[in-house]
Amino acid sequence: EIVLTQSPGTLSLSPGERATLSCRASQSISSSYLAWYQQKPGQAPRLLLYGASSRATGIPDRFSGSGSGTDFTLTISRLEPEDFAVYYCQQYGSSPWTFGQGTKVEIK
Amino acid sequence: QVQLVESGGSVVQPGRSLRLSCAASGFTFSSFAIHWVRQAPGEGLEWVAVISYDGNNKYYADSVRGRFTISRDNSKNTLYLQMNSLRAEDTAVYYCTRGVRTRAPFDIWGQGTMVTVSS
Repeated sequence: EIVLTQSPGTLSLSPGERATLSCRASQSISSSYLAWYQQKPGQAPRLLLYGASSRATGIPDRFSGSGSGTDFTLTISRLEPEDFAVYYCQQYGSSPWTFGQGTKVEIK
Repeated sequence: QVQLVESGGSVVQPGRSLRLSCAASGFTFSSFAIHWVRQAPGEGLEWVAVISYDGNNKYYADSVRGRFTISRDNSKNTLYLQMNSLRAEDTAVYYCTRGVRTRAPFDIWGQGTMVTVSS
């Protein structure tokens, strides 16, 4: 099983600031089968990025992803009020599909 | 409108069974792999099971293998999760979500259905 470790657990930032979220895998993820999801309270998760760096339909370009192998990053260039949420990374290249424990981006 | 709608969640006693359903609309259901993902109260996301587009391939998390069964009826555009021998640790919101294949990101999610296992 591929274990995903996200850091930090909580990120306290102000609107307009840059957010950098990390996701580290216990073993290399093949073909960058790495996705990022956003979840707001009481809502289902929403796909943001897949293939480590490709934005899903309708996702604004302030969201970007990078990385390969075992180290991946989600960057939000300028935080908007609606971006304060919990973010999960996920690997979908091998069973069992696994998620990181999440990073909460909260308003400072 | 592309949509997944879960149903069947309720309060159930430990050791009992429950069947969840996920109704799909707005897309060709029989072309997509469908997963179940759950989220315990205040916790993160846990993948549960997946079934391929044709139902021929199924995979399960270790935590539910042997107790849960995923199935689908493409003629009814519906996915199922039969949950037997339920435990307190199965308490969660259960989401169904799709991927273009089993190894693909989850691009559409349902709103979830709550399962509470308690005596």
